[in-house]
Amino acid sequence: ETGVTQSPTHLIKTRGQQVTLRCSSQSGHNTVSWYQQALGQGPQFIFQYYREEENGRGNFPPRFSGLQFPNYSSELNVNALELDDSALYLCASSVMSGRTWDEQFFGPGTRLTVL
Amino acid sequence: TQLLEQSPQFLSIQEGENLTVYCNSSSVFSSLQWYRQEPGEGPVLLVTVVTGGEVKKLKRLTFQFGDARKDSSLHITAAQPGDTGLYLCAGPPAGRGAQKLVFGQGTRLTINP
Repeated sequence: ETGVTQSPTHLIKTRGQQVTLRCSSQSGHNTVSWYQQALGQGPQFIFQYYREEENGRGNFPPRFSGLQFPNYSSELNVNALELDDSALYLCASSVMSGRTWDEQFFGPGTRLTVL
Repeated sequence: TQLLEQSPQFLSIQEGENLTVYCNSSSVFSSLQWYRQEPGEGPVLLVTVVTGGEVKKLKRLTFQFGDARKDSSLHITAAQPGDTGLYLCAGPPAGRGAQKLVFGQGTRLTINP
């Protein structure tokens, strides 16, 4: 059983550019959540996808968007990059069971630097 | 908005000492999780506490959930250099909807040999 994988591991972009980050869920998981972790901070929830639909969103502007594919892999897209977007972007997968809480398994993250 | 405050934010102690990290909120959480994060890696779940007053032990680590389910603590006995890392508490906010996690800002722990 493979865990959550993310690509690329590191990325450098300039202000105004667009970026796409990718995540492969753990086998058997149908839900993907994305988090942004700024340096020295805890992760902040961006959004969650379940059955290819957005299933909740945190306090992030519309230039942060995502996709979930039929194989449950996911993409995070960020348009018009700003310096403050520099962070570690974490993907977490889980199984939506209908309970209050299902354990989320995190990938290693993608380190994005915006210059 | 449900927030989690961790203290201390930084802690540097000598090998063999004991320490406690706190996670506090003004809101009730249905459960709280503790994660450990190494540089260049994602958070790894250590434990989930669900019942008010619950105590869980993981080798030298003891986790407690407050009676009112608004706070939690992590106590490490006889700390070792391998315990060094970022410790995060997190919990799902109340209400229905996305199973998102609210995280504390983390406690960066350094154990010196």
